Amino acid sequence: SQQGEEDPQALSIQEGENATMNCSYKTSINNLQWYRQNSGRGLVHLILIRSNEREKHSGRLRVTLDTSKKSSSLLITASRAADTASYFCATDPGAYGNNRLAFGKGNQVVVIP
Amino acid sequence: EAQVTQNPRYLITVTGKKLTVTCSQNMNHEYMSWYRQDPGLGLRQIYYSMNVEVTDKGDVPEGYKVSRKEKRNFPLILESPSPNQTSLYFCASSQNGDTQYFGPGTRLTVL
Repeated sequence: SQQGEEDPQALSIQEGENATMNCSYKTSINNLQWYRQNSGRGLVHLILIRSNEREKHSGRLRVTLDTSKKSSSLLITASRAADTASYFCATDPGAYGNNRLAFGKGNQVVVIP
Repeated sequence: EAQVTQNPRYLITVTGKKLTVTCSQNMNHEYMSWYRQDPGLGLRQIYYSMNVEVTDKGDVPEGYKVSRKEKRNFPLILESPSPNQTSLYFCASSQNGDTQYFGPGTRLTVL
């Protein structure tokens, strides 16, 4: 199955700065999702963007999707120490009902207070 | 509280000793999945289920079994665990196949 790939794989920033992560994928998708994982815990859904959407916002999160380039970006504005986590993109290939999300390897973000 | 629960949270076992990791969700979700997470490999889907009695293989099903006899439960069975199944396991559920709700994880060590 296809798999998203996050870039950069590790990011270290100062509190208050913006953090940007990218995700590339290989085949067509129905939607793309971003998840956060704190140190060995379960993943938490952040935001979902559908293939016919270009940009979506949720609080301090902004996600863009470029289906022509098969890429997405996640922007976290005004980062906080609590944003320290791993961030994963996951692609849904679009065959409705088969629930075959494919996750990337993750992006480790460290926000320094 | 809406949640996905897994038990046990930690397990150390020996090669060949059958084990079951339970997963339960209280959101009446149709879809449930099992994933394993390994360093450098991200999350990989083991099995998924679209409804009661409907299951299918994910990307890494070898060595695992699942069943879905009730909507809320989706146990993962390792009939004969081996050291290469040492991993962090997550169960997840979803109503419409989109947003996944993850359990807290089960850290399994097979000696």
